[in-house]
Amino acid sequence: KNQVEQSPQSLIILEGKNCTLQCNYTVSPFSNLRWYKQDTGRGPVSLTIMTFSENTKSNGRYTATLDADTKQSSLHITASQLSDSASYICVVTFNNDMRFGAGTRLTVKP
Amino acid sequence: DAGVIQSPRHEVTEMGQEVTLRCKPISGHNSLFWYRQTMMRGLELLIYFNNNVPIDDSGMPEDRFSAKMPNASFSTLKIQPSEPRDSAVYFCASRGGRTEAFFGQGTRLTVV
Repeated sequence: KNQVEQSPQSLIILEGKNCTLQCNYTVSPFSNLRWYKQDTGRGPVSLTIMTFSENTKSNGRYTATLDADTKQSSLHITASQLSDSASYICVVTFNNDMRFGAGTRLTVKP
Repeated sequence: DAGVIQSPRHEVTEMGQEVTLRCKPISGHNSLFWYRQTMMRGLELLIYFNNNVPIDDSGMPEDRFSAKMPNASFSTLKIQPSEPRDSAVYFCASRGGRTEAFFGQGTRLTVV
């Protein structure tokens, strides 16, 4: 069954701290994996895309990793800011379809 | 391009009423997706179209839900009759080829 699971479900950290979000998937055949950021009341916006051959990709303070063998991905946020408070959603594409994780709700506190 | 445009942004309706949500995808995109988001279940794919043709509607909850895409620039999601458990945020997204999916701002539906 094609599934995407994320952990933790929610996370609270202090401003300036780092954090790592996890995504495990069973989707096959794998095309790519994207991390989306969704601010409250808005639609998701893509942060990074990982293809099968890519292990690490950075976008500013966001770094995504992918292990296609174990079907795991992580999103690392460095030096968190208050504006990082949002839901982070892992999306895996296969064929012409996409599967969404339930998301991790991140709260950054001052 | 203004991005994916959804209307209305908010809809409050009484149980039993018909609700129609509208979506204008990004020009040139050939895939369109309808999603429902709730706190309990996260983002759920309801249906997606490719070149205006419904490809997978297995996520549509029941016969009360229907979606159409009469042309490449417009799609509707209809709920008839609506029920309180349909209350959620409904997102439309479009994609061209292998690009990322771009989401609209969503329609927050409340059925009382």
